[in-house]
Amino acid sequence: SQKIEQNSEALNIQEGKTATLTCNYTNYSPAYLQWYRQDPGRGPVFLLLIRENEKEKRKERLKVTFDTTLKQSLFHITASQPADSATYLCALDLRRGNKLVFGAGTILRVKS
Amino acid sequence: DTEVTQTPKHLVMGMTNKKSLKCEQHMGHRAMYWYKQKAKKPPELMFVYSYEKLSINESVPSRFSPECPNSSLLNLHLHALQPEDSALYLCASSQPRTGGIEQYFGPGTRLTVT
Repeated sequence: SQKIEQNSEALNIQEGKTATLTCNYTNYSPAYLQWYRQDPGRGPVFLLLIRENEKEKRKERLKVTFDTTLKQSLFHITASQPADSATYLCALDLRRGNKLVFGAGTILRVKS
Repeated sequence: DTEVTQTPKHLVMGMTNKKSLKCEQHMGHRAMYWYKQKAKKPPELMFVYSYEKLSINESVPSRFSPECPNSSLLNLHLHALQPEDSALYLCASSQPRTGGIEQYFGPGTRLTVT
């Protein structure tokens, strides 16, 4: 069956450390993978997109990797801040009419 | 303007009511989406409109009826809902390119069916 798995437990880290979030998928062949941030009671906000033929993408303190052999994406936030605390969703872009399939998300808590 | 607006923010309706959710964007996007999100779950796609035509219906029950009256507006008409339909309903928009394009989400409408 098709599945997208993100860290099931909340990730608690200290301010200034690097947060690493995982997205694994099964029985999908995404052309792209996207990461979104969602705050409680709000809609998701787009962060980064990576193509299937790209290994790594960076934007400011954010970095995403995409390994289609392992069927895994890693999302890193360096020099994390309390304001980075949120739920982070990975989304598989199946290139089928703009359809995104979301993972359940990882709750990140950055403590000062 | 990179904002997607949704009204109302909150809606409480009985199972026999008819109500509508509204979504608007002025980014010139020609693809618009409805998602449903239950607590602690990911957003689930319901409908996609591309160039004001319904392109994806994810087998949503007919008590949900989408409408795209023009390129800036998207409605979701609700009728005879069930308590299990209570959720956050999110609207999103994007350019209509097939894949590799980010979606812009609105803040959502929190729907409670009593």
